[in-house]
Amino acid sequence: DSGVTQTPKHLITATGQRVTLRCSPRSGDLSVYWYQQSLDQGLQFLIQYYNGEERAKGNILERFSAQQFPDLHSELNLSSLELGDSALYFCASSPRLVTIDNEQFFGPGTRLTVL
Amino acid sequence: LAKTTQPISMDSYEGQEVNITCSHNNIATNDYITWYQQFPSQGPRFIIQGYKTKVTNEVASLFIPADRKSSTLSLPRVSLSDTAVYYCLVGDLNGAGSYQLTFGKGTKLSVIP
Repeated sequence: DSGVTQTPKHLITATGQRVTLRCSPRSGDLSVYWYQQSLDQGLQFLIQYYNGEERAKGNILERFSAQQFPDLHSELNLSSLELGDSALYFCASSPRLVTIDNEQFFGPGTRLTVL
Repeated sequence: LAKTTQPISMDSYEGQEVNITCSHNNIATNDYITWYQQFPSQGPRFIIQGYKTKVTNEVASLFIPADRKSSTLSLPRVSLSDTAVYYCLVGDLNGAGSYQLTFGKGTKLSVIP
């Protein structure tokens, strides 16, 4: 158990819909990261927040957005869902702003299925 | 962006030592080398990290030659529970001045009874 929690564990929805994935980082961790893992694309970095502020963006679509709240939990919002958005979404956290020797702790993931 | 190359898959028998080599020819001076392990449908888990020479912890050793253009993850006496995908990563400084983890395809290790 990494100490990172994600809800829900599974989510099934239809194309065109909007969903929200939630992540609670380890106690005391200020950085939160979101990743998407699909069979054909592997594990891809989406976005990072540090202490409530967006710090880095990866391959995140414009239909996706995220935020980190004052209590440090984070939410990833996915809208206008397409079949190709079906994937495992992981949240990770780390104590500090990413440094060169950073270790990230991953949550169990949310499996999103778009029908 | 720093790039790594590692074998797509490896097989090993239980009880053997497994060495997975990763090449990172364009590693930067400040980059660390990090290995993660991922089981199916679980998030990656940090295994080990190093900068140069040899690092050892309770689960693995990491060997890094002087030129740092490659690294080798060594898993002693593997068991069936070590069957997983192993990712080699190097520091990836993005445009915002932060380091992000860029996962490649990883090496799928299958341990055979």
